[in-house]
Amino acid sequence: DQQVKQNSPSLSVQEGRISILNCDYTNSMFDYFLWYKKYPAEGPTFLISISSIKDKNEDGRFTVFLNKSAKHLSLHIVPSQPGDSAVYFCAASLSGSARQLTFGSGTQLTVLP
Amino acid sequence: GAVVSQHPSRVICKSGTSVKIECRSLDFQATTMFWYRQFPKQSLMLMATSNEGSKATYEQGVEKDKFLINHASLTLSTLTVTSAHPEDSSFYICSAKRGGNFQETQYFGPGTRLLVL
Repeated sequence: DQQVKQNSPSLSVQEGRISILNCDYTNSMFDYFLWYKKYPAEGPTFLISISSIKDKNEDGRFTVFLNKSAKHLSLHIVPSQPGDSAVYFCAASLSGSARQLTFGSGTQLTVLP
Repeated sequence: GAVVSQHPSRVICKSGTSVKIECRSLDFQATTMFWYRQFPKQSLMLMATSNEGSKATYEQGVEKDKFLINHASLTLSTLTVTSAHPEDSSFYICSAKRGGNFQETQYFGPGTRLLVL
């Protein structure tokens, strides 16, 4: 049973526009969420995170929104740049678990010039 | 920043041999490191949690005698794939957790591509 789901395997966006990547989770005990960006044959790069006590966290062009009642989080990238093209993974963790991460299946973002 | 390195980045070995992969946190101390495996076009699958000075905790289905993990210091964890077989060919990634705060982020190494012939 997938506890963290990214239902869109791919997304294409025009340069300069907003990219919105979505993630759903089923375990209501998750209390910390992260987004990672990954290029082929490389390790994931941490982008941004959010605690369950917040509903929004912003860092430069990246904003993560958390809707706990819907068990949904999203990553907004504004403005999108061609260099943002990569696979984006959302991940969730819960306290008392050594903070092991449960990953979604990833979404391939392509930003078109 | 939080930099995690892995060595080697790529390794090709013959079936039956053992391969050691190192994971180092370069600018912070990591009490906990994690080892993941990624198959093509799939997500990262956690293999084991490595705690400094204690035995690793393996996920269900991961053979601890085949994937030996040693976390000898706060900056180094090693994964040894023993008696490697072609089905062990994969992309192995480690991560290290920065402690100190309630919310702790994992920082990932660049990964190691293993090919067993």
